[in-house]
Amino acid sequence: QVQLVQSGAEVKKPGASVKVSCKTSGYTFISYNMHWVRQAPGQGLEWMGIINPVGGIITYAQRFQGRVTMTRDTSTSTVYMELSSLTSEDTAVYYCARDKKEWDYNWFDPWGQGTLVTVSS
Amino acid sequence: EIVLTQSPGTLSLSPGERATLSCRASQSVSSRYLAWYQQKPGQAPRVLIYGASNRATGIPDRFSGSGSGTDFTLTISRLEPEDFAVYYCQQFGSSLTFGGGTKVEIK
Repeated sequence: QVQLVQSGAEVKKPGASVKVSCKTSGYTFISYNMHWVRQAPGQGLEWMGIINPVGGIITYAQRFQGRVTMTRDTSTSTVYMELSSLTSEDTAVYYCARDKKEWDYNWFDPWGQGTLVTVSS
Repeated sequence: EIVLTQSPGTLSLSPGERATLSCRASQSVSSRYLAWYQQKPGQAPRVLIYGASNRATGIPDRFSGSGSGTDFTLTISRLEPEDFAVYYCQQFGSSLTFGGGTKVEIK
């Protein structure tokens, strides 16, 4: 079955960077785009960006531009999200989610299990 | 950026009752690009509805979606104990945004 398995929880100091991985299995990696979404404690969902695994074409949400980098490794079917210049406001659970596009519809399915990133001095 | 406003923020209902959740967009959204998700505590969201009215694989038929343009609705016809959760709408049109969520809690 399709699975997205993310890396483990991270604790970072303000100003540092964090890199979260999302290893995929059960489908053809290059056939689907991947999104990153985050959720601060007790808050809603916030879209961060999308990466196309074929050409590496990326679109970032405007508020993260300049601070986020999404990459992929086709040899291991893994996507990565790196966020720099961390502040306490970046404390959140970070999710990868596959873009399930069919018949000109789009939705996210499945989602990774989430990676908690805590930013604290 | 299209802003999605969900209402109410919290819905207090009893099992067996009908739940009606609203998602209003700041500008018109193509129905093809409107989805609904359910999230339970400590879990990732899961898709319920895509294309405004299409149930995802394995989703019970008590969940239904409707609407067009700027007004969309998720209806749960008879609440089961496992349906108490937070629900989010999402649009893929102009950029990509989520609504703020509606919490369905046990009354």
